[in-house]
Amino acid sequence: KNQVEQSPQSLIILEGKNCTLQCNYTVSPFSNLRWYKQDTGRGPVSLTIMTFSENTKSNGRYTATLDADTKQSSLHITASQLSDSASYICVGGGTSYGKLTFGQGTILTVHP
Amino acid sequence: DAGVTQSPTHLIKTRGQHVTLRCSPISGHKSVSWYQQVLGQGPQFIFQYYEKEERGRGNFPDRFSARQFPNYSSELNVNALLLGDSALYLCASSLWTGTDQPQHFGDGTRLSIL
Repeated sequence: KNQVEQSPQSLIILEGKNCTLQCNYTVSPFSNLRWYKQDTGRGPVSLTIMTFSENTKSNGRYTATLDADTKQSSLHITASQLSDSASYICVGGGTSYGKLTFGQGTILTVHP
Repeated sequence: DAGVTQSPTHLIKTRGQHVTLRCSPISGHKSVSWYQQVLGQGPQFIFQYYEKEERGRGNFPDRFSARQFPNYSSELNVNALLLGDSALYLCASSLWTGTDQPQHFGDGTRLSIL
């Protein structure tokens, strides 16, 4: 059974600080790893998509890494802002049509 | 350009009733996927449609059905509603069904079952 597990479940940081969110996945066959940001009451918004051959991908202050050997990914957020407060969801993509496996998300709260 | 639009935004139903949720994809996108997101959890895949045909189905009972229209909009139908069907239902569109395709999500329909 495909699974994606994220840690920590929640995180509180001060504005301006950096943080790293973790993701372990078991998706077979594996095609890609995605990170989404979901604001409260809104749909998820894509941050990065990495194929199994990519090690890192950046999108502004967001940098995702992927280790396909250990089946781990991380999302690093630099110089956090209040608007970064959201749930961050790690998603494993298989090779079958549309079948994405979502993690439960890490709830990030940025305090001033 | 408009993003993915879903209607209604909120809906309250009672057990045993049926419901129809609607989704309009981004212009030019031919693939629509449906997800169920229970509070505190990540979305779970229900269906994917492309060119009006079902291309993928998640582990949901037959009470859940969907269809896609010639203009690529889509409907999700749920019959014999149960309390456990209370969730945020998300629609996502993409250009086609490639597994590396970015999916663009709408803001969902919040369904509450009493």
